[in-house]
Amino acid sequence: GQQLNQSPQSMFIQEGEDVSMNCTSSSIFNTWLWYKQDPGEGPVLLIALYKAGELTSNGRLTAQFGITRKDSFLNISASIPSDVGIYFCAADSGTYKYIFGTGTRLKVLA
Amino acid sequence: DSGVTQTPKHLITATGQRVTLRCSPRSGDLSVYWYQQSLDQGLQFLIQYYNGEERAKGNILERFSAQQFPDLHSELNLSSLELGDSALYFCASSMRGTGFLSSGANVLTFGAGSRLTVL
Repeated sequence: GQQLNQSPQSMFIQEGEDVSMNCTSSSIFNTWLWYKQDPGEGPVLLIALYKAGELTSNGRLTAQFGITRKDSFLNISASIPSDVGIYFCAADSGTYKYIFGTGTRLKVLA
Repeated sequence: DSGVTQTPKHLITATGQRVTLRCSPRSGDLSVYWYQQSLDQGLQFLIQYYNGEERAKGNILERFSAQQFPDLHSELNLSSLELGDSALYFCASSMRGTGFLSSGANVLTFGAGSRLTVL
């Protein structure tokens, strides 16, 4: 079945550093979403991407929909302590169900 | 507040029991999704309803069932509970079922989740 490979699985970074994470698949998708989840909370949408090649920013966050439609990446610039959490990618191919990546656990060292 | 309401927030029960989780979607959203998140795991898609009809099924066990009512709220029923069913159960809603490319129409908005503990 369809699967999203998200990497890295976890990362520790220093405050102020930039962060990159990505999701890849062997399947083609027509929507990519990036979410952040704080402990014990529901995921919150960060960025939505709808077209291959699309590059979208939301404050310090930037995400791109891969040109092959099989991948997406998320960058966080100048990380701050509140960026701590789990970041999930999600993708839909029009099959009426979103699948989620396994998550990237981000920890920021002050 | 995301606008998606889930109750109860916490639930502790015993093996073999049955529970019902409830979800009210965001105002204007017609589609409801259920996801299961076990400890330190990703989100596993269970089932989706759109305007009262089942639209897609994921890895949902036969012991689990769901429905969406005319007022669009949804319930997830979990029966013959096992220890391994302990997890966070999330409901999400969207304006439409997926397959529509108009921006914003098919993003998922999540509730705060229901934490189920089976002892």
